[in-house]
Amino acid sequence: DTAVSQTPKYLVTQMGNDKSIKCEQNLGHDTMYWYKQDSKKFLKIMFSYNNKELIINETVPNRFSPKSPDKAHLNLHINSLELGDSAVYFCASTSMGDYEQYFGPGTRLTVT
Amino acid sequence: GENVEQHPSTLSVQEGDSAVIKCTYSDSASNYFPWYKQELGKRPQLIIDIRSNVGEKKDQRIAVTLNKTAKHFSLHITETQPEDSAVYFCAASSGQGAQKLVFGQGTRLTINP
Repeated sequence: DTAVSQTPKYLVTQMGNDKSIKCEQNLGHDTMYWYKQDSKKFLKIMFSYNNKELIINETVPNRFSPKSPDKAHLNLHINSLELGDSAVYFCASTSMGDYEQYFGPGTRLTVT
Repeated sequence: GENVEQHPSTLSVQEGDSAVIKCTYSDSASNYFPWYKQELGKRPQLIIDIRSNVGEKKDQRIAVTLNKTAKHFSLHITETQPEDSAVYFCAASSGQGAQKLVFGQGTRLTINP
């Protein structure tokens, strides 16, 4: 009965590689987000999609490309990984007009 | 854009005492202020939130107060217990369409038995 799920939970890769993180929610929400939590625990929004349409796009390197195949799924693809990309990436969801955001369990990305 | 400042960064209290965490925000259009609790290795979880048309909200041992004029809001935890130990984040958003939450830097709360 996981509400917001992410895969994988851990991801260790080398610099220069390309990787993807997947997120799925079964709450019937129409809005999904990607957040990055750095080593100092700071949480910062990266992207948001509403019904497969990009609505929030913060200052994020072009190497990061989100994709939403449908309103229940939001993926994050990262090209040419760098050491500074190491972080925990959280997916979250809500319904447009609602307030509470539900977070996924996070994906810990380590770039070596 | 919105900027949220949170203090203190670390807080240690004796079990049974109260803990207070304070946040200030910069955007007067912000109208939604949630507090999230994040235990080690876990996801952030909403513990209480307040909207700009309310000055105070309470849920058992947790309360949040909002001063719109001064643009600050606070989290109060009474009768603290060891399981309250975690990192707490405040956030603010303007609620215009999608909720773009801007988070504070976090407060690591430790409850000493």
